Amino acid sequence: GAGVSQSPSNKVTEKGKDVELRCDPISGHTALYWYRQSLGQGLEFLIYFQGNSAPDKSGLPSDRFSAERTGGSVSTLTIQRTQQEDSAVYLCASSLTVLAGGGAPDTQYFGPGTRLTVL
Amino acid sequence: RKEVEQDPGPFNVPEGATVAFNCTYSNSASQSFFWYRQDCRKEPKLLMSVYSSGNEDGRFTAQLNRASQYISLLIRDSKLSDSATYLCVVKVNSGYSTLTFGKGTMLLVSP
Repeated sequence: GAGVSQSPSNKVTEKGKDVELRCDPISGHTALYWYRQSLGQGLEFLIYFQGNSAPDKSGLPSDRFSAERTGGSVSTLTIQRTQQEDSAVYLCASSLTVLAGGGAPDTQYFGPGTRLTVL
Repeated sequence: RKEVEQDPGPFNVPEGATVAFNCTYSNSASQSFFWYRQDCRKEPKLLMSVYSSGNEDGRFTAQLNRASQYISLLIRDSKLSDSATYLCVVKVNSGYSTLTFGKGTMLLVSP
């Protein structure tokens, strides 16, 4: 079946411009995550959506970053007034469920990522 | 101290060799542990979960040492296709927690 898809695959923008990154999770997956990975760095958690619950925004690095998930499916990550340090690969992942209070999560399936370059 | 620490490598080994990676984690409340694999310029993919009793999947063996807060991955009979970055991943089971990724250990298997 179809995996997680992300668009665009590559985005080059000028400093100060806004960008929107899109993620289509696997159909039926209730949990959706955004991460970013800078060159030579590990994955940095940004934001997490679970069903209709309020998102966990604890990883967003600044108020220039925001994300929405419409209809419990597609998600858009928006970066306003981009800076050069925002250059990274932005990865989206989805999983079938996350158990409240603990338990091993279902496998997170990652999309191919969007490579963002801010000039 | 970083939450999840790994030796970045690279580990250069010949085909057929046995190689082991270790990973340490700082949060003693961590409950779930995983190894992910990430190929160059690709997304991470789950390699295997790590269970308290240790577990094996073909040539791959994962071990957990809660007392010392480290996780290991052993690869036997290395193949060229094993060349990748191996990410140690930890989850603290507290409500809707998320995964914490290490920066990864790079493995290069040569002919």
